[in-house]
Amino acid sequence: DSGVTQTPKHLITATGQRVTLRCSPRSGDLSVYWYQQSLDQGLQFLIQYYNGEERAKGNILERFSAQQFPDLHSELNLSSLELGDSALYFCASSFLLNTEAFFGQGTRLTVV
Amino acid sequence: DQQVKQNSPSLSVQEGRISILNCDYTNSMFDYFLWYKKYPAEGPTFLISISSIKDKNEDGRFTVFLNKSAKHLSLHIVPSQPGDSAVYFCAASARNTGTASKLTFGTGTRLQVTL
Repeated sequence: DSGVTQTPKHLITATGQRVTLRCSPRSGDLSVYWYQQSLDQGLQFLIQYYNGEERAKGNILERFSAQQFPDLHSELNLSSLELGDSALYFCASSFLLNTEAFFGQGTRLTVV
Repeated sequence: DQQVKQNSPSLSVQEGRISILNCDYTNSMFDYFLWYKKYPAEGPTFLISISSIKDKNEDGRFTVFLNKSAKHLSLHIVPSQPGDSAVYFCAASARNTGTASKLTFGTGTRLQVTL
């Protein structure tokens, strides 16, 4: 158990809908990262927050947004969902910006 | 632009033998390298890391070697065990840039340890 909690574990939704994925980082970790893993692909970096502020952005679509709240949990919002958004979404956390990150078990999103 | 490359999608090794997983990178700003292991339906698990000031780091059965001039690193697992069967991801970050050090991942190598 990495200490990073992601909910829900599975999500099935229709095209055009909007979903919110939630992540609780390890206790004491200030940085939260979101990654997307499509079928048989590597981990694609989406976005990073540190202590509530956005610090780095990857190939995140405009339909996607995220935030980190004062209690350090983070949410990833995916809207106008398309079939191609079906993937595993991982959240990871680290204490600082330059230490190893610990991953949650992921949310498997299926868009039908 | 794939800055971290794992050119072998899969590797099969006999139990007890050495497993060598390779990773190449192109960004000379990378100064911190990590290996993660991933089982199906689970998140990646941190295994071992190495800073660019070192060329070797060892932790039990796992050793990571870094060749900065070749922009190449490798993970050695000795001896390999059936429980090591998983997908291994190489990752890199540029900690010295003074900005957020996101991890850039390779596409992974699936290791199968056979009996």
